[in-house]
Amino acid sequence: AQKVTQAQTEISVVEKEDVTLDCVYETRDTTYYLFWYKQPPSGELVFLIRRNSFDEQNEISGRYSWNFQKSTSSFNFTITASQVVDSAVYFCALRTGANNLFFGTGTRLTVIP
Amino acid sequence: DAGVIQSPRHEVTEMGQEVTLRCKPISGHNSLFWYRQTMMRGLELLIYFNNNVPIDDSGMPEDRFSAKMPNASFSTLKIQPSEPRDSAVYFCASSFRRLGENTEAFFGQGTRLTVV
Repeated sequence: AQKVTQAQTEISVVEKEDVTLDCVYETRDTTYYLFWYKQPPSGELVFLIRRNSFDEQNEISGRYSWNFQKSTSSFNFTITASQVVDSAVYFCALRTGANNLFFGTGTRLTVIP
Repeated sequence: DAGVIQSPRHEVTEMGQEVTLRCKPISGHNSLFWYRQTMMRGLELLIYFNNNVPIDDSGMPEDRFSAKMPNASFSTLKIQPSEPRDSAVYFCASSFRRLGENTEAFFGQGTRLTVV
């Protein structure tokens, strides 16, 4: 079975602090894809990053970085120097060989000015 | 590209009425997903199509829900009869899949359904 766990339901940080959002996944497939999406208060779901199971390189995009570790089945997301505009619900998702796309329950991030 | 287009954006209907939600995926995408989002249950996958064929509908709550994809550019999700507990935001998403590769899914803006 496939499962995505985001244990942090809500996180609050003060602006300019760094914050890491955790994601742990479960799958028996050897080929799979991991994603992060952002859902701002306006409600749309915005794609942030995709990683396949054969690429464990970490990635940095501006203030965003992602740490993929197959050994711990984790795909964590760090925002450096957080800003108020980062306030949103962030979802981690898993797509497996069966091609379904499963989402975690999301982490609500509030950045306090 | 215009992205995934869903209609209507908002729908208010009375219990017992039929509701039809519409989705136009991104041109060239061959995978389509319907999701339902509620505070209690989060984002639930309802059904997944690949090349217009339903692959997995195990998330469809019950027989009142049905989904079709008559061609590559159009899909519908129908609820008949609707009930108050169906109130949620329904998202459609599309992506491209080929052997050995799955791209990210792009989401429409959602349909907020309220059943009174």
